[in-house]
Amino acid sequence: ETGVTQSPTHLIKTRGQQVTLRCSSQSGHNTVSWYQQALGQGPQFIFQYYREEENGRGNFPPRFSGLQFPNYSSELNVNALELDDSALYLCASSRTSAETQYFGPGTRLLVL
Amino acid sequence: EDKVVQSPLSLVVHEGDTVTLNCSYEVTNFRSLLWYKQEKKAPTFLFMLTSSGIEKKSGRLSSILDKKELFSILNITATQTGDSAIYLCAADTGANSKLTFGKGITLSVRP
Repeated sequence: ETGVTQSPTHLIKTRGQQVTLRCSSQSGHNTVSWYQQALGQGPQFIFQYYREEENGRGNFPPRFSGLQFPNYSSELNVNALELDDSALYLCASSRTSAETQYFGPGTRLLVL
Repeated sequence: EDKVVQSPLSLVVHEGDTVTLNCSYEVTNFRSLLWYKQEKKAPTFLFMLTSSGIEKKSGRLSSILDKKELFSILNITATQTGDSAIYLCAADTGANSKLTFGKGITLSVRP
């Protein structure tokens, strides 16, 4: 157990809807990174938040957005859902942006 | 574009066998190489390697990095059914601390 929690565990949405996924970082960690893992693939970096600011972004369109709160928990928002957004969404927290990332259990999103 | 390639993509062994999992990388701003084990959902951290030639060990697992040839291996000796999982390797590129993952290696250990 890493102390990183995510909610919800599973979610079903339809195309065009919007979704918000939540992540609580491990105590003492100020950095949260989000990854998308499609079936049979490795996780792909979406973005990272460090002390409430976005600190880097992968190749994802602007409809993927995020937030980090003063307690360092984080949200991932996805607008205008597409079928290909179906995946496991993982968040990882680290003590700083330069240290080892520890993953939460993920949210499995299915878009119909 | 940053790239991490793992091989083989899957393998099946019997309990007690020794396995070697391979990971090669081509990334800019390389900082470290990480190995994770993924059983159901959450990848769990195994090793972080930053220096060439220094083996890291944890029980039956060990790993080493070659920064000249740009690869790493993860060895598991005396495999057990509980080692069945997907093993992910990732390069930390330092720039924004993003991890670039390979596709993972699915290991099945049969009794």
